[in-house]
Amino acid sequence: AQSVTQLDSQVPVFEEAPVELRCNYSSSVSVYLFWYVQYPNQGLQLLLKYLSGSTLVESINGFEAEFNKSQTSFHLRKPSVHISDTAEYFCAVRGYSSASKIIFGSGTRLSIRP
Amino acid sequence: EAGVAQSPRYKIIEKRQSVAFWCNPISGHATLYWYQQILGQGPKLLIQFQNNGVVDDSQLPKDRFSAERLKGVDSTLKIQPAKLEDSAVYLCASSLDRQGANEQFFGPGTRLTVL
Repeated sequence: AQSVTQLDSQVPVFEEAPVELRCNYSSSVSVYLFWYVQYPNQGLQLLLKYLSGSTLVESINGFEAEFNKSQTSFHLRKPSVHISDTAEYFCAVRGYSSASKIIFGSGTRLSIRP
Repeated sequence: EAGVAQSPRYKIIEKRQSVAFWCNPISGHATLYWYQQILGQGPKLLIQFQNNGVVDDSQLPKDRFSAERLKGVDSTLKIQPAKLEDSAVYLCASSLDRQGANEQFFGPGTRLTVL
């Protein structure tokens, strides 16, 4: 079984400041890792994912996340945030098996102040 | 390509009433998921279909919830009778197949309020 912990339920930052959203997971098997974003009144969208290979993965809008196996973490970072990044961010894990279900964290609400 | 469609977007009912949600996945996607997202929590899988067969319904409260995907395309989720604790956003998602690495595409959700 897997579980995901997002320690921060809310993260307020100023525009153009850096941000880190923390995600830790536990699993007895190897997992795929995901970050999903939910903009206001919209469904979840995949932001980025780690499947294998390079531990640093990037999104098209400047976010990046690093898979750290020893710390069982997959923190999301952006060096300079924009007002349009205001959203809720969900970390998720899923085992390799096709029978495995995706497990979501409780989410982190990122609010950007001008 | 069109995304995952859901209707209605909002529904308000009284406890003990029945309600149904509809989902049309992305064309060609064999796998369909229904999630329940309670305020302040991440989505929780209720049921997963592969074509028109149920793959996982271990977290579906079967005494009141039911779901079907008769022709392997669109799907309905029903609650009968509803309880106060069923107030949540119900999300439908689809993916090409069951492979764990495949992206799940989510619809906008149906926000259910049970009074």
